[in-house]
Amino acid sequence: DAKTTQPTSMDCAEGRAANLPCNHSTISGNEYVYWYRQIHSQGPQYIIHGLKNNETNEMASLIITEDRKSSTLILPHATLRDTAVYYCIVRAAGYNDKLIFGTGTRLQVFP
Amino acid sequence: KAGVTQTPRYLIKTRGQQVTLSCSPISGHRSVSWYQQTPGQGLQFLFEYFSETQRNKGNFPGRFSGRQFSNSRSEMNVSTLELGDSALYLCASSLDGGASYNEQFFGPGTRLTVL
Repeated sequence: DAKTTQPTSMDCAEGRAANLPCNHSTISGNEYVYWYRQIHSQGPQYIIHGLKNNETNEMASLIITEDRKSSTLILPHATLRDTAVYYCIVRAAGYNDKLIFGTGTRLQVFP
Repeated sequence: KAGVTQTPRYLIKTRGQQVTLSCSPISGHRSVSWYQQTPGQGLQFLFEYFSETQRNKGNFPGRFSGRQFSNSRSEMNVSTLELGDSALYLCASSLDGGASYNEQFFGPGTRLTVL
């Protein structure tokens, strides 16, 4: 599975968009980009995933560059409850439930 | 639909003892994975079970083992506990229905403290 690089921490004002970048320059053609987040002392929570097209759901948007070497998770209107560690993970599709977590980005949303 | 449940939520053991943790996946989910989270090593994959068979394994010593029952419930066991085994142990389940991705749903974890 490809390795990802994320900033260690980021701040965001409540109500503003939070843009969390992820670099995955060694991603291969059959690997998806997944985002999970972990609020303090809870289990990780799935947010969104994509292969090459931009994706949006009720929680967030995922923008993947055309060369697929990087992506950005966008929380359009951050709230205090979005304060968490956000993990960007790349893994191949199929029968492989092994997630390789990096160090993630600690997002702090402030009032 | 009930989420992934893990029991117990907190556990204190002493070095040399063994421990068994339990995980009940979401109804209908057939794959169960286990992860260890420590401040030093972060979230690390332990193993995954599907249809009562271990399908994937992480890089952990043989003291860590698991099994899955016919109802998809899973247990993991750690024998001869060491201080470094103190961690949050997380269980995740997924449908594994052959779709192009398998979204994993995590439980709240079991916090194990080894004294």
